[in-house]
Amino acid sequence: EVQLVESGGGLVQPGRSLKLSCVASGFTFSNYGMNWIRQAPGKGLEWVAYISSGSSYIYYAETVKGRFTISRDNAKNTLYLQMTSLRSEDTALYYCAPNRFDYWGQGVMVTVSS
Amino acid sequence: DVVLTQTPPTLSATIGQSVSISCRSSQSLLHSNGNTYLHWLLQRPGQSPQLLIYLVSRLESGVPNRFSGSGSGTDFTLKISGVEAEDLGVYYCVQGTHAPYTFGAGTKLELK
Repeated sequence: EVQLVESGGGLVQPGRSLKLSCVASGFTFSNYGMNWIRQAPGKGLEWVAYISSGSSYIYYAETVKGRFTISRDNAKNTLYLQMTSLRSEDTALYYCAPNRFDYWGQGVMVTVSS
Repeated sequence: DVVLTQTPPTLSATIGQSVSISCRSSQSLLHSNGNTYLHWLLQRPGQSPQLLIYLVSRLESGVPNRFSGSGSGTDFTLKISGVEAEDLGVYYCVQGTHAPYTFGAGTKLELK
């Protein structure tokens, strides 16, 4: 059974940093590109970042470019999102999903507020 | 960036009715490798999204065949042939052809 478990969220002040993790199981993680997607409360889905299977290709949404860094550790079946210079508009439920968006975790909540 | 325009934003349907959702792209989603990375997701209330259709028209495993996808280039359609109560929620199209990838704004399917 495929599982994606996101963690690392919480309440953080504007300007601070946070690092999210997504642990994958039930499929060969190292073979798949991975995405981070977020959903602000009551809003639609917003794609955040993508990393290819071997980390050769990395893309970001303009809203997070220069502030967020996506990475992965294939030996640990883990995807990361390092978030810096956080803003109130980054408040959202963050999901990880493979490149075809075929599996989703429950998401992890990030709240940016003073 | 590619803009995906979904219409209608809200759809009211009765059980058994057939409905369609449109997703129009600001540029062609045909990748240089010949694939068109346009997918459809459903997010039921309080749940994570689930994949329904991938690569325009391929039905994801376990998804009922009342769901179908069609289209090419910039115009795509999701059809539900006979809405059931479990189909209620918000439908999103998403493109993975051109980075940055983008989602449509969503279409909320409600019961009439």
